[in-house]
Amino acid sequence: AQTVTQSQPEMSVQEAETVTLSCTYDTSESDYYLFWYKQPPSRQMILVIRQEAYKQQNATENRFSVNFQKAAKSFSLKISDSQLGDAAMYFCAYRSGDFGNEKLTFGTGTRLTIIP
Amino acid sequence: NAGVTQTPKFRILKIGQSMTLQCTQDMNHNYMYWYRQDPGMGLKLIYYSVGAGITDKGEVPNGYNVSRSTTEDFPLRLELAAPSQTSVYFCASRTGTEYEQYFGPGTRLTVT
Repeated sequence: AQTVTQSQPEMSVQEAETVTLSCTYDTSESDYYLFWYKQPPSRQMILVIRQEAYKQQNATENRFSVNFQKAAKSFSLKISDSQLGDAAMYFCAYRSGDFGNEKLTFGTGTRLTIIP
Repeated sequence: NAGVTQTPKFRILKIGQSMTLQCTQDMNHNYMYWYRQDPGMGLKLIYYSVGAGITDKGEVPNGYNVSRSTTEDFPLRLELAAPSQTSVYFCASRTGTEYEQYFGPGTRLTVT
């Protein structure tokens, strides 16, 4: 069974600075997808970024980028130029590339605080 | 598009009562999901559906039932509410070609 570990329950960063959130996962599969979701106080789960395991290039979405290290099974999220609106819980999630496996496995989350 | 909508937003149930959590999506997505999120935890899959008339169990299905009579709607039924079902419930959907899921705003359920 796949597992997702987020070892940082809480992180804080000064506004306009850069912060990196860690995520590691355990799998025996070679084809899979990884996601970062943001959950602000409103509770809405918002997709931040996704990475396909078969792609070597790290995904980037504006100020958000990932460092995907497939051999190390690591998938960290870097937020540049942090803004007050980035304050939220961030969840890392894993999905098998197996078409019939619909399970999305989540980590326990990292609470990010932005210091003005 | 409204995306994924859920009703109600909040609900308090007594032990043994039953209720249905409603989920509707207007994106014509075939795949729909129900998750629960316990305090301090990530989401866990309860049930999912790959299309109208087809449902399957996820990781934590006990105590719940679902149905999928239309593409748009995917209600979750709690028959005999128990305190262990106190949680926040999320509905999600996705297309058949992309794997990212789009979530509703959640329902906070308390069973006392």
